[in-house]
Amino acid sequence: EAGVTQFPSHSVIEKGQTVTLRCDPISGHDNLYWYRRVMGKEIKFLLHFVKESKQDESGMPNNRFLAERTGGTYSTLKVQPAELEDSGVYFCASSQDWWDRGGLAGSPFFGPGTRLTVL
Amino acid sequence: RKEVEQDPGPFNVPEGATVAFNCTYSNSASQSFFWYRQDCRKEPKLLMSVYSSGNEDGRFTAQLNRASQYISLLIRDSKLSDSATYLCVVRASGGYQKVTFGTGTKLQVIP
Repeated sequence: EAGVTQFPSHSVIEKGQTVTLRCDPISGHDNLYWYRRVMGKEIKFLLHFVKESKQDESGMPNNRFLAERTGGTYSTLKVQPAELEDSGVYFCASSQDWWDRGGLAGSPFFGPGTRLTVL
Repeated sequence: RKEVEQDPGPFNVPEGATVAFNCTYSNSASQSFFWYRQDCRKEPKLLMSVYSSGNEDGRFTAQLNRASQYISLLIRDSKLSDSATYLCVVRASGGYQKVTFGTGTKLQVIP
């Protein structure tokens, strides 16, 4: 079974530019999450989709970040305009069920991440 | 105080040794607990969920201490392949899907 895939694996852009990250979850997983890890810090939650609906976007840092999940399949995360502090690794994860169900069904599978560098 | 705290390490242990990590959490309403493993420049992967009664999976044992608000991970008979960063993940209650990650504890198993 294919895992969570993310594109691109690396992106280097200049401050002020726009970048769009893509995530393809595991087929059949209604839950899709975006996380971010900036250098030296812990992985932080950004938002959670259930199918095409945003269930929780409380972790989005500001309105420069826009996430979409059209049709409940793949998701995109756009940063516009990018700032230096946006540099980090952006992980996408998907799961069949919610975290509180526990076990494999509830705990998300992570994609390999997109390493974003803003110069 | 951070919501989830871990000793960053590194823990350098010889092959075959037993090693234990703790993770403390500040929110007493936390409901679900997990250990994830992350290899260098790779994605986190679920190692095990942590249940109230404690649970074991082969050489790995996870414990939860609600009174002191910490979870632990014990690795017996360490293998070189166990070298990785171990992330503690905590979820609050109420059907709330936002989880909090610790910064991770780095383990290096030495031949």
